[in-house]
Amino acid sequence: SAVISQKPSRDICQRGTSLTIQCQVDSQVTMMFWYRQQPGQSLTLIATANQGSEATYESGFVIDKFPISRPNLTFSTLTVSNMSPEDSSIYLCSVEGTSGNYEQYFGPGTRLTVT
Amino acid sequence: GDSVTQMEGPVTLSEEAFLTINCTYTATGYPSLFWYVQYPGEGLQLLLKATKADDKGSNKGFEATYRKETTSFHLEKGSVQVSDSAVYFCALSVTAGNQFYFGTGTSLTVIP
Repeated sequence: SAVISQKPSRDICQRGTSLTIQCQVDSQVTMMFWYRQQPGQSLTLIATANQGSEATYESGFVIDKFPISRPNLTFSTLTVSNMSPEDSSIYLCSVEGTSGNYEQYFGPGTRLTVT
Repeated sequence: GDSVTQMEGPVTLSEEAFLTINCTYTATGYPSLFWYVQYPGEGLQLLLKATKADDKGSNKGFEATYRKETTSFHLEKGSVQVSDSAVYFCALSVTAGNQFYFGTGTSLTVIP
């Protein structure tokens, strides 16, 4: 399994500002995923990030609000732009396992509170 | 489409009680099935998995059997501990990539 770290682990931000979340993996992976978990809810996929190409966004998420970078095979960033209180969530990155069984491994998450 | 339906919570049990969390799925192909656990303030950890019919996944005393005939993957543990208090998510994946579906999560609290 992959070891995934995220920075920051939590932050409190003011509305209208932006926060960039970093995700680092201990091995090279083709695809990385960004999820949002709103309070008391399940996970919702924001986008899939492949190295060398633009991220693919799910319905309801747009690049202007959640720009993603994927500069290499072990690192990705997600920016939450022009934040509002509705963006208060846990943001998680994940990678696919290498066993061929399609499991995903998750980072510890970034707990964002927007005031 | 593909989906996961998970037992509503919250669930509260006394220590050493038997646990069952129901999970059923709908899938067009042959999914792999997973249980993830999220301890308070942490990210998701893969608890166990099963990749084909009749497979039993097990870990830390938890078990789940992939039942194709009932499209189910119920999570069980014979004797829960306070440290098992967490939110449990059932999930499926049919292919590689972004086709990964989570249930709504079931919160478990174990009281001494």
